[in-house]
This record gives sequence, C-alpha cells and structure tokens, in this order.
Amino acid sequence: DAGVTQSPTHLIKTRGQHVTLRCSPISGHKSVSWYQQVLGQGPQFIFQYYEKEERGRGNFPDRFSARQFPNYSSELNVNALLLGDSALYLCASSLGYGGYGYTFGSGTRLTVV
Amino acid sequence: AQSVTQLDSQVPVFEEAPVELRCNYSSSVSVYLFWYVQYPNQGLQLLLKYLSGSTLVKGINGFEAEFNKSQTSFHLRKPSVHISDTAEYFCAVSLYGGSQGNLIFGKGTKLSVKP
Repeated sequence: DAGVTQSPTHLIKTRGQHVTLRCSPISGHKSVSWYQQVLGQGPQFIFQYYEKEERGRGNFPDRFSARQFPNYSSELNVNALLLGDSALYLCASSLGYGGYGYTFGSGTRLTVV
Repeated sequence: AQSVTQLDSQVPVFEEAPVELRCNYSSSVSVYLFWYVQYPNQGLQLLLKYLSGSTLVKGINGFEAEFNKSQTSFHLRKPSVHISDTAEYFCAVSLYGGSQGNLIFGKGTKLSVKP
C-alpha cells in the first residue's frame, strides 16, 4: 500500500511569493494534518482536517491556509513568503484523530531566498 | 496547555549498549503518548504509542517505553542499540478524547550510536 505522499519534495521560492504544497493520505484515512519543522526543532502543528472540515489550527499567521478535497487529499498554501518560512513541511494522515496515531509523509523541503 | 520536554538534546552511546531517552510532559488533562523516529532527510515513523492499559509499551525495532503517571514521564528504552538506530527521536502527546488530535512534540533527542 502507498504511504502518505507529498509533492514536491523540494522547492525554492523567493520572498513575497506564494507556494502550494500537496498531500495524498493513505487510502481510507480521513484525517490530514500539516506540521512545520524548522531545522533543529520538533514539528509544530499548523492545521488538521477531518472529513473535509477544519478541526484544528495552530499558532500560525493567516498567510497559512489549507483545505481538504472530497478524495481526502489536501493542500497547504502559504502567501507572502518570508525567510522564516523555510522549513520541512510534513503531512500526516490518520483514520481519525487522537489516539489513532499518525502516519507521516517524507515532507516538502521549502527554502525561501 | 500541554508541553513536552525531552531532557537530552544529544545522546551518544556505543553499539550494543543500552539506552534511555527521557521525556516528560505537562498536561492538566489525560493525554495519549507517542514516540517517533526521524532518519536523515525523511519523515517521522511511529515507534510506539500509549493509549491506556499496561504502562509498559513495546514498539518496533526492539524499543519499549514506560508510562509513569505520577512522574508524568514516558521514557524510551532499548536494551542493545545498533548503528542503524542512529536518528532523531521525538516524544509527542495529544489530548485524550476531544474533537481534535494534533500532536505536540518535544524538541527531539539525537541518538548517535558509535561502533
């Protein structure tokens, strides 16, 4: 079975630009979450979606937005990129939320120059 | 609010020696507990999780962890490590029950296994 797939794997953008990151969950998983991992830190929660509804939002500015599609895939959008947005962006999927545990993708490495 | 503290940022150990990676958490409500491993340039892989029941949890690759409610700890142990265990390990919690289940991670512990 395919795991959680994320695209692209690497991306270089210029300050002020917009970026869209994509995630396909494991088949049957209805929950998708996004995390930002800055070098040397643990992942920080950005968004969680379950059954296409936003279930949680972390402490990130409104420049960050996301959505989940009917096939449960998801997009993370970041507007007006800043140098500080450079990070590994991880997508995780789960059957539900809470105690199910999450399966993570390999991430998208975003570099803002 | 919940928080996770991983007490050691780096742990060097020789091959075949035992290792313990320490994790303490703070929460006013019950939580689920997780350990994840991250190999270089990869995502996170679930090692084990504690939901309820027996406080000793066994995971993949020979790892185990013990939940101690009174000390709010969830330390990860392995009796004999291999070179291939070199990676970064993250402890995480999520709220028990509730309408969302986002993970709150510690800052990670880099395990370096030397021959």
